[in-house]
Amino acid sequence: GEEVAQTPKHLVRGEGQKAKLYCAPIKGHSYVFWYQQVLKNEFKFLISFQNENVFDETGMPKERFSAKCLPNSPCSLEIQATKLEDSAVYFCASSYDRGSEKLFFGSGTQLSVL
Amino acid sequence: DAKTTQPPSMDCAEGRAANLPCNHSTISGNEYVYWYRQIHSQGPQYIIHGLKNNETNEMASLIITEDRKSSTLILPHATLRDTAVYYCIVRVRNNNDMRFGAGTRLTVKP
Repeated sequence: GEEVAQTPKHLVRGEGQKAKLYCAPIKGHSYVFWYQQVLKNEFKFLISFQNENVFDETGMPKERFSAKCLPNSPCSLEIQATKLEDSAVYFCASSYDRGSEKLFFGSGTQLSVL
Repeated sequence: DAKTTQPPSMDCAEGRAANLPCNHSTISGNEYVYWYRQIHSQGPQYIIHGLKNNETNEMASLIITEDRKSSTLILPHATLRDTAVYYCIVRVRNNNDMRFGAGTRLTVKP
């Protein structure tokens, strides 16, 4: 597609439940990035992929967070046993290649943990 | 990547030029200056980028000082729809991610 598609737009989970977010990058883009934005503050980089391979996961919390980009499937970000502090908007972005100056962002998934 | 400093907020009158400053005094020779903006709660949108020469596109102009320690994003004729948070980022071109700071909240007023 011509835009980064993120689903769902909103996700509500009780503390301790699992949350799974999806991202379909722009067709032809090799790189996918996940960011977390808490309460409209700064973005926190989580992880990036080059096709289905993890490229940089230095921002991923060691526990509970995992992500995948499998061939012919949307990328996913999964949070096991959600906590209140996981409440945030999670943005996915894609770019054509590593040197691209443009990241194209999706409209985000608002995760609310109650 | 080098850290950037931006004012937290600015106002601009509709139809006037909006000049958004950014300090990046520790920028390295191979780091580019990028600008993105986030309108309301949408995903960030790319605006412009440059290395050392001034750049202009259909959205904005980017002025980078000769020592590259600061830059200014110029929106020549601001409209109400330009109200957004503007992020200045410095990044090595082949780095794989953008590290966003707090940005400048620009409010365009009628």
